[in-house]
Amino acid sequence: EPEVTQTPSHQVTQMGQEVILRCVPISNHLYFYWYRQILGQKVEFLVSFYNNEISEKSEIFDDQFSVERPDGSNFTLKIRSTKLEDSAMYFCASSGGGGNYGYTFGSGTRLTVV
Amino acid sequence: AQSVAQPEDQVNVAEGNPLTVKCTYSVSGNPYLFWYVQYPNRGLQFLLKYITGDNLVKGSYGFEAEFNKSQTSFHLKKPSALVSDSALYFCAVRRVGDKIIFGKGTRLHILP
Repeated sequence: EPEVTQTPSHQVTQMGQEVILRCVPISNHLYFYWYRQILGQKVEFLVSFYNNEISEKSEIFDDQFSVERPDGSNFTLKIRSTKLEDSAMYFCASSGGGGNYGYTFGSGTRLTVV
Repeated sequence: AQSVAQPEDQVNVAEGNPLTVKCTYSVSGNPYLFWYVQYPNRGLQFLLKYITGDNLVKGSYGFEAEFNKSQTSFHLKKPSALVSDSALYFCAVRRVGDKIIFGKGTRLHILP
């Protein structure tokens, strides 16, 4: 069964440093998403991406965040200057499109900012 | 706007007993409803979805959910709980062309 792959599984970074979280969505999917979950709490929407541009973003997704699809396979989330409160599990997801598609989620990257 | 409510933070069930994890939603138009499960230190795993048709949908690991339009509910059920079902369960909703919104999650404890 096709999977969404995320790397690394765990990233520790110092406050103020830039981090890039990487995702390889399912190859024929068209819609890509990032969600965040702060330690066992609610899963929050960050951003959706379609046709090489952001289609929607939440209030959490401020100027410190950016997304990119640099080639035909990768989908990245960059945090320019990390803060302690950015510590969370970050999930990438992809979808084939249309309302009746659920998302396939990756296994997540646990980001720890120290 | 769309929203999902999971009224229980935690549900405790004895092994072998039936379980129910509650979910209600608010969305304009026809909802698409989902249940995901998260095991400790793991990602979100799809369990089942309701798109249209039969109100009772069956999913992975013996779980099922019943769509009730009049009560705007989509409760997750299983006839006989297993200890291995212990996990965090998320109900989610979306409209056509919109993003998935998750509930806050319900922690299910199955007691041996």
